Amino acid sequence: GEDVEQSLFLSVREGDSSVINCTYTDSSSTYLYWYKQEPGAGLQLLTYIFSNMDMKQDQRLTVLLNKKDKHLSLRIADTQTGDSAIYFCAEGEGANNLFFGTGTRLTVIP
Amino acid sequence: EAQVTQNPRYLITVTGKKLTVTCSQNMNHEYMSWYRQDPGLGLRQIYYSMNVEVTDKGDVPEGYKVSRKEKRNFPLILESPSPNQTSLYFCATMGGLGPGEQYFGPGTRLTVT
Repeated sequence: GEDVEQSLFLSVREGDSSVINCTYTDSSSTYLYWYKQEPGAGLQLLTYIFSNMDMKQDQRLTVLLNKKDKHLSLRIADTQTGDSAIYFCAEGEGANNLFFGTGTRLTVIP
Repeated sequence: EAQVTQNPRYLITVTGKKLTVTCSQNMNHEYMSWYRQDPGLGLRQIYYSMNVEVTDKGDVPEGYKVSRKEKRNFPLILESPSPNQTSLYFCATMGGLGPGEQYFGPGTRLTVT
């Protein structure tokens, strides 16, 4: 099956930028997604990018997609303590075909 | 307010005792699905439903059943739970406006002893 990989942990200082990386294997994916999971809660869709785009920006969030290297990243500018959570990337063609990474736990140090 | 609710939120049970985890949504979404989340494995899809009376297997359907008798509800049934089904379960919906219209329930933490 499809393989989506993320590093498990990331620590940054408050106010710095965070960059969470993800690699995937299925080059036919139509969309790539980023989700945030806070403690004790479900996943919240943060943003997504269509596979024919290179970049998408949404306020403090910037998504970069390198299709050649099958690499996706999420940059969070001016990281705040409220950004501490687990971040999942996922890829797929539609709702019933989503493959998730293992999640990256972001810790923001005050 | 868009909402996906799951019940119960926490459950400890014994091997073989049938249980049902309910999922309900108030957004009139056609698509609903169930995932399990395990450490180091991310989320894996168990079953999904494209519409009422239409369900299909995801990646890890063994040991689970679902039903979709009405649009708002999509219960997950474990006929004979086993310890390897100890996990965190999420229900999710997707609306017709596109990939950005996704909602997840708060999760059900199940422990099977």
